[in-house]
Amino acid sequence: AQTVTQSQPEMSVQEAETVTLSCTYDTSESNYYLFWYKQPPSRQMILVIRQEAYKQQNATENRFSVNFQKAAKSFSLKISDSQLGDTAMYFCAASGTYKYIFGTGTRLKVLA
Amino acid sequence: DSGVTQTPKHLITATGQRVTLRCSPRSGDLSVYWYQQSLDQGLQFLIQYYNGEERAKGNILERFSAQQFPDLHSELNLSSLELGDSALYFCASSVEGYLTGELFFGEGSRLTVL
Repeated sequence: AQTVTQSQPEMSVQEAETVTLSCTYDTSESNYYLFWYKQPPSRQMILVIRQEAYKQQNATENRFSVNFQKAAKSFSLKISDSQLGDTAMYFCAASGTYKYIFGTGTRLKVLA
Repeated sequence: DSGVTQTPKHLITATGQRVTLRCSPRSGDLSVYWYQQSLDQGLQFLIQYYNGEERAKGNILERFSAQQFPDLHSELNLSSLELGDSALYFCASSVEGYLTGELFFGEGSRLTVL
């Protein structure tokens, strides 16, 4: 069975600082994709970044980047120059056989 | 706006009742996924449809059922409701069923069972 684990229920960071959110996963799939989704207070789920597991290069989207360690099954999200609008719940997810599995989330609060 | 439409946005009902949640996927998307998010919890996968066919089932209760219609919209039926069914129910869609792409989420249907 696929599992996605986020071990940090809550984190906080000062505005303009950098923060890293952790995620580990377990899958028997040979080809899969990994995702970070953001859920702000509005509850809308928004894709932050996506990583194709067969690609060694870490994905980057503006201030968001990942550290993908395939052997360790680790997929962390780094947010640089944190902004107040980054305050949200962040979910790590992995694709598997006909479904996407989500972690339990990390609540991130950016402090002014 | 993700392009995924869910109705109703809010629903309050009593235990033992039955409700239907509706989802219209993005234009062109063939896959529809349903997720349940209880208060401040993660997303629990319920069920997935691809072009009208059920593809995968997750932790969906027997009291719950779903279907995807020929026009690709989907409905999630919840019956014999219990207090614990109170949650935010998300529908998401994607272009294909190969799980490579982004899931586009609706705004969710918040169900409150009293």
